Amino acid sequence: AQSVTQLGSHVSVSEGALVLLRCNYSSSVPPYLFWYVQYPNQGLQLLLKYTSAATLVKGINGFEAEFKKSETSFHLTKPSAHMSDAAEYFCAVKGANNLFFGTGTRLTVIP
Amino acid sequence: EAEVAQSPRYKITEKSQAVAFWCDPISGHATLYWYRQILGQGPELLVQFQDESVVDDSQLPKDRFSAERLKGVDSTLKIQPAELGDSAMYLCASSSQFQMDGQYGYTFGSGTRLTVV
Repeated sequence: AQSVTQLGSHVSVSEGALVLLRCNYSSSVPPYLFWYVQYPNQGLQLLLKYTSAATLVKGINGFEAEFKKSETSFHLTKPSAHMSDAAEYFCAVKGANNLFFGTGTRLTVIP
Repeated sequence: EAEVAQSPRYKITEKSQAVAFWCDPISGHATLYWYRQILGQGPELLVQFQDESVVDDSQLPKDRFSAERLKGVDSTLKIQPAELGDSAMYLCASSSQFQMDGQYGYTFGSGTRLTVV
């Protein structure tokens, strides 16, 4: 069975600082992994996805994530945080027919 | 850009009343999903349709929840009677077979925020 664990339910960074949101996966097969962002009272928007091509995946809004099989990780990073990045971020792994989501990490950006 | 439409955006209902949510997927998407997202948690799948057929409803509380997609296009999720613990965001998503085969994931609607009082 596939699952993801997001470490840290809340992360605070200063504007301009590095953003690092952690996700570890568990999968019995080569995983397909996703990061979604959710703004208040909105649906989920796809940030990026890993589909077994390049291990470093670039997404929208300057985010990227690196797939590390040895660490079973797919951490999300952004070099410089903007105020507009404040949101909830969800890591997800594809199961047989649908996606399984982590519990989310709320990112706060301090001016 | 094509979107998944959901209505209403917000719904407040009293305990024991019936409530319904509607979802119109992206045109041509055969697969439709209803997820429930309790505040502070990640979305959890309630039901998945392939065209008009239910593929997975193992997590749907069938004593009070029902879902249908009669013509394989739009879908309705109903709760009757609503309970306080049903307060959550109800998200609809859709995907094409191409998207899932290509591991592109799926597209979410903006959700319906339900508050049961």
